[in-house]
Amino acid sequence: GAVVSQHPSRVICKSGTSVKIECRSLDFQATTMFWYRQFPKQSLMLMATSNEGSKATYEQGVEKDKFLINHASLTLSTLTVTSAHPEDSSFYICSARGGQTFRQYFGPGTRLTVT
Amino acid sequence: GENVEQHPSTLSVQEGDSAVIKCTYSDSASNYFPWYKQELGKRPQLIIDIRSNVGEKKDQRIAVTLNKTAKHFSLHITETQPEDSAVYFCAARYSGGGADGLTFGKGTHLIIQP
Repeated sequence: GAVVSQHPSRVICKSGTSVKIECRSLDFQATTMFWYRQFPKQSLMLMATSNEGSKATYEQGVEKDKFLINHASLTLSTLTVTSAHPEDSSFYICSARGGQTFRQYFGPGTRLTVT
Repeated sequence: GENVEQHPSTLSVQEGDSAVIKCTYSDSASNYFPWYKQELGKRPQLIIDIRSNVGEKKDQRIAVTLNKTAKHFSLHITETQPEDSAVYFCAARYSGGGADGLTFGKGTHLIIQP
């Protein structure tokens, strides 16, 4: 149980374009989803917390107009990187949490490369 | 916000020996402390977690201890095996201002020497 999928696993886009990443909880309802960013050989940095049907809460320093998050259903959250630049290249990982637990289960991540 | 410090950054142990990784946190309101194992290029996997109302938890070869007074928690792996080699992250959950996420330590690269 507690399986989270992410799509796509890898994406390459040109500078100035937008990219959408999907995160799905496959076998449970995720009341809360989280988006993290991980640079090579570094830790995970929380970008935003998203509750189903509500606006996302962004961490300090994360531009909400650049990283658009939508959590329209209990099984799907999307992250759109708008006007991507090479410095946005990173590993983006989502996690999902459901019910009364604090446990977060992570998706497999999306490797974004902006050229 | 929360700040989590993790030590050591690299730990090399002989197969069969024990490994201990330590973390400290800054926010006394944090109430949940998971440990994740991440292999190269893969997702973090939850291996054990503990809530602030518990001092110790064990699951086979893995145990976590929590000292709320000192604000530190540790991961203990006994009888290490080659498949235990990975990067391990500790984390602390904070809650406030609408945010409800995990703050991670910088990770420990655990190397099991055969």
